[in-house]
Amino acid sequence: QQPVQSPQAVILREGEDAVINCSSSKALYSVHWYRQKHGEAPVFLMILLKGGEQKGHEKISASFNEKKQQSSLYLTASQLSYSGTYFCGTVGMDTGRRALTFGSGTRLQVQP
Amino acid sequence: NAGVTQTPKFQVLKTGQSMTLQCAQDMNHEYMSWYRQDPGMGLRLIHYSVGAGITDQGEVPNGYNVSRSTTEDFPLRLLSAAPSQTSVYFCASSDFSEQFFGPGTRLTVL
Repeated sequence: QQPVQSPQAVILREGEDAVINCSSSKALYSVHWYRQKHGEAPVFLMILLKGGEQKGHEKISASFNEKKQQSSLYLTASQLSYSGTYFCGTVGMDTGRRALTFGSGTRLQVQP
Repeated sequence: NAGVTQTPKFQVLKTGQSMTLQCAQDMNHEYMSWYRQDPGMGLRLIHYSVGAGITDQGEVPNGYNVSRSTTEDFPLRLLSAAPSQTSVYFCASSDFSEQFFGPGTRLTVL
């Protein structure tokens, strides 16, 4: 089942913060976050694993609540380059820990 | 190190035609997958493979076939193209954490 992302869209001014949420109805092994700019392929930002391990970029932070099967991506001091569509992808405990199911995305626009 | 490559970049088909989308990776990843992305939508998993000779269906497998004879290549075959298959197709490979996406193939079926 597809994870649910919120909000669907957000507009920020440079320097403002944003939080994007992702929730799943099934038990998760990991949550992935990607950013996609218009006409381009998705680019990896962060992975959060069951048990607390995280791998990602320095300026991006995220959390994973294993009890609630929810993840949040925190974008602080936003820059124009942060604009794009953010997708969470989830790997369920029942899918051999490989197949990613993506949410429908959150469109983020950062204005000067 | 080219990463994940896809060919062609653009393709126009007529209803009923068949074709193969090519995908190759040079990172020695075991896991590869195919997604389709419709306008304004997220990515939906079509098929995936956890190694040479092993494939499995994703969320939307109907109308598509895959095979994995080598670690490097993972082609996607459209058996009889339909207008509903108009989409952007992304291939990805993974080292069990980060998924690396190819540049995509824009397919239009008339």
